[in-house]
Amino acid sequence: LAKTTQPISMDSYEGQEVNITCSHNNIATNDYITWYQQFPSQGPRFIIQGYKTKVTNEVASLFIPADRKSSTLSLPRVSLSDTAVYYCLVGGYTGTASKLTFGTGTRLQVTL
Amino acid sequence: GAGVSQSPSNKVTEKGKDVELRCDPISGHTALYWYRQSLGQGLEFLIYFQGNSAPDKSGLPSDRFSAERTGGSVSTLTIQRTQQEDSAVYLCASSLEVTGYYGYTFGSGTRLTVV
Repeated sequence: LAKTTQPISMDSYEGQEVNITCSHNNIATNDYITWYQQFPSQGPRFIIQGYKTKVTNEVASLFIPADRKSSTLSLPRVSLSDTAVYYCLVGGYTGTASKLTFGTGTRLQVTL
Repeated sequence: GAGVSQSPSNKVTEKGKDVELRCDPISGHTALYWYRQSLGQGLEFLIYFQGNSAPDKSGLPSDRFSAERTGGSVSTLTIQRTQQEDSAVYLCASSLEVTGYYGYTFGSGTRLTVV
């Protein structure tokens, strides 16, 4: 399973765009990249997933360069409610399992 | 159901006692996963079910831990002879299919405290 590296913490002011980059140098061909958000006392919540190039949904964008060795989660105009831990995961179906490995994540703190 | 349901939400048990944690996945989700999260830490994979079978038990920390799934639905994680280091939040997730391509849906977890 590909190991991921992401910053331990980030700070932002409300209304700013936040970009969290994740490194996954040994990503495999069939691996996809997924980001989750976790609030205290809750389970992680799926944000966005992609394989290559750019993916956008109603809450975030995911940028993946051609070599796929990194990815960047972009949160437009964050609010206080975006304060959470964000996990970057890399994994794929191995034929018998789909086991995604969670690292320690990035703790985003949004302030006024 | 609409989401993944876990019970109990909180459990305090004495060291040495057995505990059972229950997970009710989203209806129709074939894959079910158990994770453990210690205070301030990331998630640790425990076990994965495809239907009622568990192809990957590699994350279970010791033989005191076991899990089963019946009817392709409800799963129970059992911890025997609990130890203080078992204290953590136990999270269950399910996904529509085994590839996990559509992402996991997590429950809110069971907070286990062993005293």
